[in-house]
Amino acid sequence: EAGVAQSPRYKIIEKRQSVAFWCNPISGHATLYWYQQILGQGPKLLIQFQNNGVVDDSQLPKDRFSAERLKGVDSTLKIQPAKLEDSAVYLCASSLTGTGGGYTFGSGTRLTVV
Amino acid sequence: GENVEQHPSTLSVQEGDSAVIKCTYSDSASNYFPWYKQELGKRPQLIIDIRSNVGEKKDQRIAVTLNKTAKHFSLHITETQPEDSAVYFCAARWVGGSQGNLIFGKGTKLSVKP
Repeated sequence: EAGVAQSPRYKIIEKRQSVAFWCNPISGHATLYWYQQILGQGPKLLIQFQNNGVVDDSQLPKDRFSAERLKGVDSTLKIQPAKLEDSAVYLCASSLTGTGGGYTFGSGTRLTVV
Repeated sequence: GENVEQHPSTLSVQEGDSAVIKCTYSDSASNYFPWYKQELGKRPQLIIDIRSNVGEKKDQRIAVTLNKTAKHFSLHITETQPEDSAVYFCAARWVGGSQGNLIFGKGTKLSVKP
């Protein structure tokens, strides 16, 4: 089966600019996650979707981060405006359900804010 | 919410030796514990997982043990090989959340010296 697709792979922007990441999960996976992985740390959940609805965005900095999954398939994560501390790898993951088992991660987008 | 502590942060072993990584979790209701391997610049990949109704699970050279009473679980790698060198993350499914998302430890960088 095709894996979780993410784009772009790398992005460099200046602080205060905006950026968007795209994710296409494994076909049929109802649950989609965005994680932030700062260098040297474990992935931290930003937002979880079940189909096209948000089920957990408690750790999403909503003043600058937004995400959507309008048709319950692919998803975009946006940062506006970006800060230096947003430099990280943004990982998208999907699973069949939210409670069944492990995730399959995409390759991630490495964001550098200068 | 859930908190996952992982130790050690770095581990260096000689090829052929065993490696053990330990994690503790805070939410006694957590019921699913996966381990991910992340090679440099690549996506985290699920290598083994265990559910709360099982005490031990083995897959070739890797095994995971779970002690629900003490709320800790461990990854055991036997006969280590240089290709086992990577960062390993434990995680726990936090059932206190809306849909049981995974909370990750901070990772263990394993180096296997030939």
